[in-house]
Amino acid sequence: KNEVEQSPQNLTAQEGEFITINCSYSVGISALHWLQQHPGGGIVSLFMLSSGKKKHGRLIATINIQEKHSSLHITASHPRDSAVYICAVPYSGGGADGLTFGKGTHLIIQP
Amino acid sequence: EPEVTQTPSHQVTQMGQEVILRCVPISNHLYFYWYRQILGQKVEFLVSFYNNEISEKSEIFDDQFSVERPDGSNFTLKIRSTKLEDSAMYFCATRVYEQYFGPGTRLTVT
Repeated sequence: KNEVEQSPQNLTAQEGEFITINCSYSVGISALHWLQQHPGGGIVSLFMLSSGKKKHGRLIATINIQEKHSSLHITASHPRDSAVYICAVPYSGGGADGLTFGKGTHLIIQP
Repeated sequence: EPEVTQTPSHQVTQMGQEVILRCVPISNHLYFYWYRQILGQKVEFLVSFYNNEISEKSEIFDDQFSVERPDGSNFTLKIRSTKLEDSAMYFCATRVYEQYFGPGTRLTVT
């Protein structure tokens, strides 16, 4: 079973700051997911990546398969970015695709 | 934009009762999942379902749980005899590539 560790658990920053959230996992994977959970509970997929880097707006996700590590960056952070950011990987590694989730990073962006 | 829907949004039941949580997947999606999130804790994988059979399940998904796609559209999670510790938010997810999550059903067992 794959294990996921995220850091930091909590992060408070000022509007405009560059944000980095880190994720490491224990078993080799086919793809890693970054998700966002809003205060109301809804979960939205941000990225699914298996190598290199992906960018969507002000969000950038990178992955290093050899080191079993991924980062999520937010540029020019804004209060509307406040949410829980979650890293998830395949539950049992390899081609299986049920996800095991990290505990999440609670991000607060202050104006 | 197509979305995954779940019913009911909130279910209250007494310990020992059976509950059925329902999910309507996005129409062309073929892979289905159930997850749960106990209040204040991380999201946990329960089961994945493809081609009308379970493809993977976690240790949480014991004999008290079952899933089916009874009519080719709805995807259901049944808990046969609910326990207090089954109280959680239950999320359905479906995919072609990335997973799309429903809004969740909050199950409260009293």
